[in-house]
Amino acid sequence: DAKTTQPTSMDCAEGRAANLPCNHSTISGNEYVYWYRQIHSQGPQYIIHGLKNNETNEMASLIITEDRKSSTLILPHATLRDTAVYYCIVGRTQGGSEKLVFGKGTKLTVNP
Amino acid sequence: GAVVSQHPSWVICKSGTSVKIECRSLDFQATTMFWYRQFPKQSLMLMATSNEGSKATYEQGVEKDKFLINHASLTLSTLTVTSAHPEDSSFYICSASLFGGKLFFGSGTQLSVL
Repeated sequence: DAKTTQPTSMDCAEGRAANLPCNHSTISGNEYVYWYRQIHSQGPQYIIHGLKNNETNEMASLIITEDRKSSTLILPHATLRDTAVYYCIVGRTQGGSEKLVFGKGTKLTVNP
Repeated sequence: GAVVSQHPSWVICKSGTSVKIECRSLDFQATTMFWYRQFPKQSLMLMATSNEGSKATYEQGVEKDKFLINHASLTLSTLTVTSAHPEDSSFYICSASLFGGKLFFGSGTQLSVL
């Protein structure tokens, strides 16, 4: 599976947009980009995923570059509850047995 | 959304005893579940893939006789840490896939071995 690179930490002001980058330059054509987040001492939470088109849901937007070598997760109006570690993961979907390997992620701190 | 329930949330045990952790998919059937381990300030490390009705697939370096996984039904997978030792103290998390790559995670189990 392709490896991802994320900044170790980021800060964001409450109410502003948080833009979290991820590099996945070795991604292959059938691999998706997934984003999860983990709030301290809890299980990770699914945020969004995409293949090549930009995606949006009630939590966030995912922007994938045309060459698919990088992506950005956007939290449009960050709140204090968005403080968490955000993981960008690349993986295939294999009929329900999706094995996703977590990297170190980005520690996002939303400040009041 | 889909819910994965994990029990217990935390457990303290004596060295040498075995501990069982349960992972249940509450409103969907999961043919595959995953078990992760997480040490403080580190990322999740995949331990094994639990397949309903068959043997689990362990990641390299994970002792299958130490971490027994049973996936006897489409809604339940269990992880048993056998003869636990202090170095097994960790945060254990399970997950299940409903469709695509969308994983739903349990709330985790904090294991402390004295």
